[in-house]
Amino acid sequence: EVKLVQSGPEVKKSGESLKISCEGSGFSFDSYWIGWVRQKPGKGLEWMGLINPADSDTRYSPSFQGQVDISADKSISTSYLQWRSLQASDSAIYWCARVITFGEIIVHLDHWGQGTLVTVPS
Amino acid sequence: QSALTQPPSASGSPGQSVTISCTGTSSDVGAHKWVSWYQQHPGKAPKLIMYEGYKRPSGVPDRFSGSKSGNTASLTVSGLQAEDEAVYYCSTYAGSNSLVFGGGATLTVL
Repeated sequence: EVKLVQSGPEVKKSGESLKISCEGSGFSFDSYWIGWVRQKPGKGLEWMGLINPADSDTRYSPSFQGQVDISADKSISTSYLQWRSLQASDSAIYWCARVITFGEIIVHLDHWGQGTLVTVPS
Repeated sequence: QSALTQPPSASGSPGQSVTISCTGTSSDVGAHKWVSWYQQHPGKAPKLIMYEGYKRPSGVPDRFSGSKSGNTASLTVSGLQAEDEAVYYCSTYAGSNSLVFGGGATLTVL
């Protein structure tokens, strides 16, 4: 069974750093790209970017370039999403998902983690 | 990239059919077949229910169907059931290694 298990909820102060994780199992982790999606409270889904765990090739949505860092450690089948300095506007649920690609094209997201709630009080 | 346009809400009675539209441009929805749909129940992760416009993953009831015409994709739910009440998002490849999502449509089963 394909599973993506994310780290638990976080409450951080503005300016603090944070790294959340997404561990995959039930599939060959370095054979699929892993994507990250943001969902602010009561709002829709926003594409952040994706990483190829095989070689750590990372691509960011222009909206998130420079705002977050996506990384992966294929030896432990885990991807990470990291902030150097959190802001209140980063408060959201963050989802990781397995990405299905066709060449360079992102086709869809077929399995999702359970989400990580990040809260940064203003 | 601009978000795809979905109606904010849709509704129908049990047993009825409802269609949710997803409008993009000739550069995204209209450019290829890579439209997918996700169902999200409150407090839950999104779930893939349609890909490549009309294909259903294993386990998704055939009450769900998808289509596309020009720059608009559509998701139809037939034989509405109470469990279909959720938010539905469309998505498509937007180039430059990016996905773009619709704003989401809340389906209410009356």
